[in-house]
Amino acid sequence: TQLLEQSPQFLSIQEGENLTVYCNSSSVFSSLQWYRQEPGEGPVLLVTVVTGGEVKKLKRLTFQFGDARKDSSLHITAAQPGDTGLYLCAGARGSARQLTFGSGTQLTVLP
Amino acid sequence: ETGVTQTPRHLVMGMTNKKSLKCEQHLGHNAMYWYKQSAKKPLELMFVYNFKEQTENNSVPSRFSPECPNSSHLFLHLHTLQPEDSALYLCASSHVKWGATRNEKLFFGSGTQLSVL
Repeated sequence: TQLLEQSPQFLSIQEGENLTVYCNSSSVFSSLQWYRQEPGEGPVLLVTVVTGGEVKKLKRLTFQFGDARKDSSLHITAAQPGDTGLYLCAGARGSARQLTFGSGTQLTVLP
Repeated sequence: ETGVTQTPRHLVMGMTNKKSLKCEQHLGHNAMYWYKQSAKKPLELMFVYNFKEQTENNSVPSRFSPECPNSSHLFLHLHTLQPEDSALYLCASSHVKWGATRNEKLFFGSGTQLSVL
């Protein structure tokens, strides 16, 4: 069982649609990060959330940290082909000094 | 361009070969990391260096040998690998070692896609 479960594993949508991907755990996290990884590249950090209930917006992307700091979601409005990539969440429990990554959601946005 | 450069981008090697992966960061960071990314599996942390000193080794087999001559360069020496070691090997850096703050950002290179035949 993975510490961070991401769902769905794969998602293919049409340009202009909205979508939400999830990152869930049974453990409490002191912080959680979201990364996007494009084909042939390394992950790039999108956002860090640290407070339960926190909402951060990055253009058409909205990130939310659950009130209990056990889960997070990423909502994309009006998806574009440039949003295609592997979305990874990563977090640290309590005083843990290592980031734990989820397996990711592979998003494909079709033109 | 993330400021972290990895070479080579692709590597094919036999099980008896010896090769090295190189990572260089131009960000003035003090911590560097090696991660392994296999298909359908989460990123696995392999090694962490902080100010050139190794601080983490996540039970990595001895056929993987890291080297950090200075804060800007990180190597991963490979010898007698197995086919299951085929994966994308990612290098990352951060200003300070992750965990010192909750907001520390990791900057990743593009990775080396390794195939072991």
